[in-house]
Parts: sequence; C-alpha cells; structure tokens
Amino acid sequence: EAGVAQSPRYKIIEKRQSVAFWCNPISGHATLYWYQQILGQGPKLLIQFQNNGVVDDSQLPKDRFSAERLKGVDSTLKIQPAKLEDSAVYLCASSLESGPQGEFGAGTRLSVL
Amino acid sequence: DAKTTQPPSMDCAEGRAANLPCNHSTISGNEYVYWYRQIHSQGPQYIIHGLKNNETNEMASLIITEDRKSSTLILPHATLRDTAVYYCIVFLSSGSARQLTFGSGTQLTVLP
Repeated sequence: EAGVAQSPRYKIIEKRQSVAFWCNPISGHATLYWYQQILGQGPKLLIQFQNNGVVDDSQLPKDRFSAERLKGVDSTLKIQPAKLEDSAVYLCASSLESGPQGEFGAGTRLSVL
Repeated sequence: DAKTTQPPSMDCAEGRAANLPCNHSTISGNEYVYWYRQIHSQGPQYIIHGLKNNETNEMASLIITEDRKSSTLILPHATLRDTAVYYCIVFLSSGSARQLTFGSGTQLTVLP
C-alpha cells in the first residue's frame, strides 16, 4: 500500500512570495489533515477535511493560508503572501473515517527568507 | 482534550528496554491514550493506543495505570533506529472532528 505522498520535499522562497504544497492521501482515506510543524515543536493542526468538505479550519490563518480538496482525494495548501514565521515543515496525514489517526507523509520543508 | 506531560529527553542503551512515561491526570473516561513517534526528517508514525487495558503490538507495549492518570510506553529491546521524538496524546475518539493535539514529546536517544 502506497503511503501519503507530498511534494515538493523542500521549498525556499522569499517573504511575500506565494507557495503551494500538494498531498495525495492513501487510497480510500476519507479524512485528510494538514499540520504545521515549527522546528522544535510538535505538529499543529491547520485544517481537517472529510471527503471534500472542511471539518475544522479554526487554526488556519485564513488571511494568508488556503486549502482545498477537490473531488475528495488530492489536496493543496497555499500560502499567499508568505512571512518569515511560516518557515516550517508542512505535514499531510490521512485516515479512514472510523479508524485511528492514520498515516503521515514525509512533509514539505519550507524556508522563507 | 486532556493535556499530557512528558520529560523532554531520555537516553537508553541499545538492547535495553526503553520506558517512556506520560502523565495525563485530567483524562476523561472516554478519552484514549495514543503514542506516536517521529524520526528525524520523517512524518509522525503511529505506535499504539489504549483506553483502559494494557496493550501490546509488534512495536511496543502500553501500560496504563488503573486510575488512567499516567501511562508508560515500553520499547522492549531498543535499537539505534528507535531514536526519535515520542509523543503521548490523549483525545476523544468520536465525532467527526477527530484530531490529534501534539505536545513537545520526549526525545529518546538510543546509545550504542
């Protein structure tokens, strides 16, 4: 079984630029999560999808972050414009509706200069 | 969700058992204890979870105290590849918004 795929693995941008991350969850997993992990801290949930609907986006900075999950499969997370404090690893995870949390991707490491 | 307290770091000799403690004194009766680990440059990996009874799988054992206010993750024979940050998480496993809230975890270093 293929795991959660994320791309790119690394991204370097300058502040005020835009960036997008892509996630392909495990086939059949209805729930998809995006987390932000700042160096030295545990992952923090940004947004949770159930199929193509948003379940929780209370911690997503909506003035600059957006996410979508078209057709209930792949998802993209966008930052526009990026700030220095957005430097972090962005993790995607997926799970079955009724199972435990599921699996995480390897993440995208973003550096904002 | 109940909060957890873990030591920031621990060392363990290779081949010995690693015992990682976690305090969750405000846990509710229907909240589970989950353990994840994160190896450097990888995403978190599920290890084990439990509600009341002790649990064991191919990776580890989970011992939950009778009052459920604390638990211990046991890696019976630690190897160098077990060096990682270990997260203890408690959460309510029901409803649509089933989310994990990660703390800072315990950095386990397995020494040769």
